[in-house]
Formats: sequence, structure tokens, C-alpha cells
Amino acid sequence: KNQVEQSPQSLIILEGKNCTLQCNYTVSPFSNLRWYKQDTGRGPVSLTIMTFSENTKSNGRYTATLDADTKQSSLHITASQLSDSASYICVVRASGGYNKLIFGAGTRLAVHP
Amino acid sequence: GAGVSQSPSNKVTEKGKDVELRCDPISGHTALYWYRQSLGQGLEFLIYFQGNSAPDKSGLPSDRFSAERTGGSVSTLTIQRTQQEDSAVYLCASGTLASGANVLTFGAGSRLTVL
Repeated sequence: KNQVEQSPQSLIILEGKNCTLQCNYTVSPFSNLRWYKQDTGRGPVSLTIMTFSENTKSNGRYTATLDADTKQSSLHITASQLSDSASYICVVRASGGYNKLIFGAGTRLAVHP
Repeated sequence: GAGVSQSPSNKVTEKGKDVELRCDPISGHTALYWYRQSLGQGLEFLIYFQGNSAPDKSGLPSDRFSAERTGGSVSTLTIQRTQQEDSAVYLCASGTLASGANVLTFGAGSRLTVL
């Protein structure tokens, strides 16, 4: 069964600190993995996409990693800001159909001053 | 428009009433998804439209739910005889196959509250 599991479910950190969010998936065959950020009351917005051959990709203070062998991805946030408070959703696309998007439940991050 | 527009942004209805939620996708986007997000939960896939192909309705929770996409653009999600468990934020997303990547642009959602 295709699944995407994220951890932790929620996380509280102090402003300026770093954090890492985890995403484990069992989706097969794998096409790509994308991290979305969802602010409260808004729709998710794409942060970064990882394909099979990519190990690391950065977008400002966000760095995503992918280990296709262990089927794990992480999203590292550096020097957190209050505006980073949001839910971070891992989405894996399976090959074989554009409708094959499997969403994780998300990690809710709260950055406190 | 520049983004995905959804209306209404908030809807409060009584149990048993029908509701219609509207989604205006980004012009030119052939793929359109409806998702549901209950409080504190992840996104639940409802239905997917791709061009002129038959929609993938595999996520619709019951036959009270239906959706249309007219002219390959605007989509309407209809919930008949609403129940309290239908209360959620209904999110619409559109995308394109051009890049081969799952680039979805989400609307802000329609928050449905069934009393």
C-alpha cells in the first residue's frame, strides 16, 4: 500500500534554531517527492521537489534531502523565523499516472520568540 | 486569474441541506483536484479531473458527493444532504502536465461548517 508518513506530528522550537522534519514513504514506483508549506487558513505552497537522482536541494533556508534507497526524505530549516510556523506536507508522486499523489499528514511547526 | 480561486471562503449550513463549492483553476491548467482537510488532519483526496478524461472519483466518501468540471475550467463540488462529519476545509488545486512534475497550485479553500 502506498503510504507517506511524517514525523514528528508537531514541533515547537525557538526562533533562530534549526530543525529537521522527516518523511518516510512506501510509494512504488517512485516518481518524485515534493515538500509543501501550508500556513494556517491557506492552501499548501510548494517549497521544493526531489526526483530519484537528486540527493539534496535547497531553497533559501530550506534544504531537502532524499534517500531513494531507504525511501526517506528530510526537510531542514535553518535559522528559523516566526514566519516558518506552518504545517509542512510531504507529497510523493507514484509513476504511472498524474493522479497518483500521496500526501503525508504533515508536521505542524510552531516557532516561538 | 493569477491563482486558484475558491468560493465561498466560508459556508455554514444546516444538516440535510445541499451545498455547492466552486473552484476557478489557473487558466490553462488541465489537472484539477479536490481535497478535504478536517481540523488538524492531512489532506484527503476526493476527485481528480484531467483534461477530457473521465474523472477519478475514487476518493469521494459517499454518493452524496459529486463534482463537475465544465469546459475544462471551472469545477463545482456538490454535497447533498450534508452531515456534520462533512465539516472541513475543501481545497481545490490545479496543475499542468507540461513539466512532468506534480506542480500543484492550491486555492485558499472553502471552510464548510455543518450545524
